Amino acid sequence: LAKTTQPISMDSYEGQEVNITCSHNNIATNDYITWYQQFPSQGPRFIIQGYKTKVTNEVASLFIPADRKSSTLSLPRVSLSDTAVYYCLTPPADTGRRALTFGSGTRLQVQP
Amino acid sequence: GAVVSQHPSWVICKSGTSVKIECRSLDFQATTMFWYRQFPKQSLMLMATSNEGSKATYEQGVEKDKFLINHASLTLSTLTVTSAHPEDSSFYICSAEPTGTDYSYEQYFGPGTRLTVT
Repeated sequence: LAKTTQPISMDSYEGQEVNITCSHNNIATNDYITWYQQFPSQGPRFIIQGYKTKVTNEVASLFIPADRKSSTLSLPRVSLSDTAVYYCLTPPADTGRRALTFGSGTRLQVQP
Repeated sequence: GAVVSQHPSWVICKSGTSVKIECRSLDFQATTMFWYRQFPKQSLMLMATSNEGSKATYEQGVEKDKFLINHASLTLSTLTVTSAHPEDSSFYICSAEPTGTDYSYEQYFGPGTRLTVT
């Protein structure tokens, strides 16, 4: 089972900032948090990865509080093309496994 | 960098035939690759973990004799759907983990292969 919890869906309008929060209460000390974006009929695309505090790249920012039990993906000024499913992932609890387990993700719908 | 390709991007086959899907890491080596399946409006479901030079590890409920996986090199893994049936119609996605990845669990995904069995 996936260890993360995130909203099933969110709606926004073009130009707004969108924040998607993911809960990962049982995150391990060495675990990174990774976010992927998926468009219909495409493979997931890596967006951002972080361990603590704040990470920013050309696409998004990732905020991770000190307790690391949650993280927030921030998409500045979204456009229609940001309509997609966003997945928050943490490594598997079993350190012998390498595969990432996908939860239901957050379906973001951006409207004009 | 970190590009993963899949071939074919889509395939239609008749029930009872076999289909092979290739997954390649184009600019990095991948000791481990993964195969996922995704049905419409659903999340990705892990089918198996493919390790170069050894047998794949299948998830519970995935028939290893039906979904044959071969990982013959550090840049290529193949998934063969044998004796395909309409219920095997799905979107198959592979991912690859660069050799040497540890705590970050980096994975890069292919564009997916749409399989339709008639």
